[in-house]
Amino acid sequence: AQSVTQLGSHVSVSEGALVLLRCNYSSSVPPYLFWYVQYPNQGLQLLLKYTSAATLVKGINGFEAEFKKSETSFHLTKPSAHMSDAAEYFCAVSGGGFKTIFGAGTRLFVKA
Amino acid sequence: GAVVSQHPSWVICKSGTSVKIECRSLDFQATTMFWYRQFPKQSLMLMATSNEGSKATYEQGVEKDKFLINHASLTLSTLTVTSAHPEDSSFYICSASEGINEKLFFGSGTQLSVL
Repeated sequence: AQSVTQLGSHVSVSEGALVLLRCNYSSSVPPYLFWYVQYPNQGLQLLLKYTSAATLVKGINGFEAEFKKSETSFHLTKPSAHMSDAAEYFCAVSGGGFKTIFGAGTRLFVKA
Repeated sequence: GAVVSQHPSWVICKSGTSVKIECRSLDFQATTMFWYRQFPKQSLMLMATSNEGSKATYEQGVEKDKFLINHASLTLSTLTVTSAHPEDSSFYICSASEGINEKLFFGSGTQLSVL
């Protein structure tokens, strides 16, 4: 079985500051991990995914995430926030089969 | 928090039959619902966006006549897979929100297996 926890329902950063969105997972099998972004009134877009290759995964728009098995974490980071990064971010885990479990989401606010 | 109920969670059907999947928002009015599908080890793929009272907007490459979406009320959207074939076997998940800038909530998904 899989589960995922996103720490912090809201995160606020200043433009140009580091973005860190936290995600911890549990999985009884080697996990596939995803980060998705949702902009207002749009469907999810895939930011990046981990599929047991390199532990540091680079995604679109300057985001990256590091898979840390010992910490069961897959935190999302971006060195410098931009106003256009303001959105809702979802972490998700899959056991490689059909079902995907989503975190509750983290709303990112970017202050000018 | 808000809950989105998706039913059934698992269905097996024969090739050529149709399957209906329901997505209900239990404690809020969902003006917009999204339908996704996912194949094993892959990410979600948006199929369509459904707005209450209007026709769904399908993503490129998704067959409208194959995947019928109805959003007849503010709490219910349905996805019907018509004349299902084995290649339609997949994980289907819906999500819903009250509107622009409102939080997105997910159903628990439906695993469809077509024999």
